[in-house]
Amino acid sequence: AQSVTQLDSQVPVFEEAPVELRCNYSSSVSVYLFWYVQYPNQGLQLLLKYLSGSTLVKGINGFEAEFNKSQTSFHLRKPSVHISDTAEYFCAVTERGFQKLVFGTGTRLLVSP
Amino acid sequence: DGGITQSPKYLFRKEGQNVTLSCEQNLNHDAMYWYRQDPGQGLRLIYYSQIVNDFQKGDIAEGYSVSREKKESFPLTVTSAQKNPTAFYLCASSISNQPQHFGDGTRLSIL
Repeated sequence: AQSVTQLDSQVPVFEEAPVELRCNYSSSVSVYLFWYVQYPNQGLQLLLKYLSGSTLVKGINGFEAEFNKSQTSFHLRKPSVHISDTAEYFCAVTERGFQKLVFGTGTRLLVSP
Repeated sequence: DGGITQSPKYLFRKEGQNVTLSCEQNLNHDAMYWYRQDPGQGLRLIYYSQIVNDFQKGDIAEGYSVSREKKESFPLTVTSAQKNPTAFYLCASSISNQPQHFGDGTRLSIL
């Protein structure tokens, strides 16, 4: 069975500082990996996805993530955050060819001036 | 614009009542999903449907029911058997090997 661990429930950071949100997964088969963002009282919006190919994946709003198979990680990074990046971020995994997503518990990013 | 519409945005239920949450998509996606979101627990899968007239239980199906009579629609009924229904409910859809698209959610509260 797959599982996703987001170790940090909350990450406070100052505006224009870099940030890394951590995600580790477990699975016995090859996987697809995703990061979603959720703003208050809204649905989830896809930030980026890893399906195959380059392990460094670039997404929207200046975010990127790196797939590390040996570490079973898919950490999300941004070199300089904005106040508008304040939101909850979810890492998710699915087995290749199968649509069921397993989500982590989320990391709340709090950006202050 | 194509997308997923969930209605209503806020819903209140009395004890012992069944309520139905609507989810409609015009993306021509085959698969549709219902998730429940509780604070600090991420999203948990309730039911999913990969084709019309077929659906499967997810991880927390007890107390819920669904139907999939049309490709565009996947309503979720929260029955009186669901003892703790207060949550944020999210509907999603997808086509094969593509990420899921989400609606804006329905927040259900108990009066």
